[in-house]
Amino acid sequence: DGGITQSPKYLFRKEGQNVTLSCEQNLNHDAMYWYRQDPGQGLRLIYYSQIVNDFQKGDIAEGYSVSREKKESFPLTVTSAQKNPTAFYLCASSKTRQNTGELFFGEGSRLTVL
Amino acid sequence: AQSVTQLGSHVSVSEGALVLLRCNYSSSVPPYLFWYVQYPNQGLQLLLKYTSAATLVKGINGFEAEFKKSETSFHLTKPSAHMSDAAEYFCAVAGQGAQKLVFGQGTRLTINP
Repeated sequence: DGGITQSPKYLFRKEGQNVTLSCEQNLNHDAMYWYRQDPGQGLRLIYYSQIVNDFQKGDIAEGYSVSREKKESFPLTVTSAQKNPTAFYLCASSKTRQNTGELFFGEGSRLTVL
Repeated sequence: AQSVTQLGSHVSVSEGALVLLRCNYSSSVPPYLFWYVQYPNQGLQLLLKYTSAATLVKGINGFEAEFKKSETSFHLTKPSAHMSDAAEYFCAVAGQGAQKLVFGQGTRLTINP
């Protein structure tokens, strides 16, 4: 079945460590997104990519980095510069570059910094 | 620029009662509007979308929403709540040609037996 796979589902990290969250899609979608979700704050956009080898900062990109070397993959690295990394991270994709359609979401990765 | 305000972070209704979740938007261009649902520890799933066709939009699981330009609203309704409707609901907006959605803060729906 087509969809978005995020891994790991749960991740624990010590302060000062970088961590990379995986996002893979087999929907042949052009665009991919990373959102951060905190209680009571909805979803905030971290980075998005509309085409391979290109990506743009979202509203809260500081302390995060991404790459888009393949159409189906869009990994997110949470660096030690991110001051409050504990959150639920959601990866999504859309068929076209323009958001006139539906976003498809993965099941999320919950990061806890100890 | 686009923005979304969801009125009420938490709504509680009895099973069988009407569900009404409120969403108001701001957009400088004709908007596309969406409602998504999120069950615990899962990603979001599209319930319905408005893309400038009919103003009354029907979605999955018996939900519908009406686009009211004069009130800049896109409220979500369901005539009769079911226990399985308990979840968090997000309203989102995108301007035509926009490259990203803007989400509201979410409304948690609780269904009382």
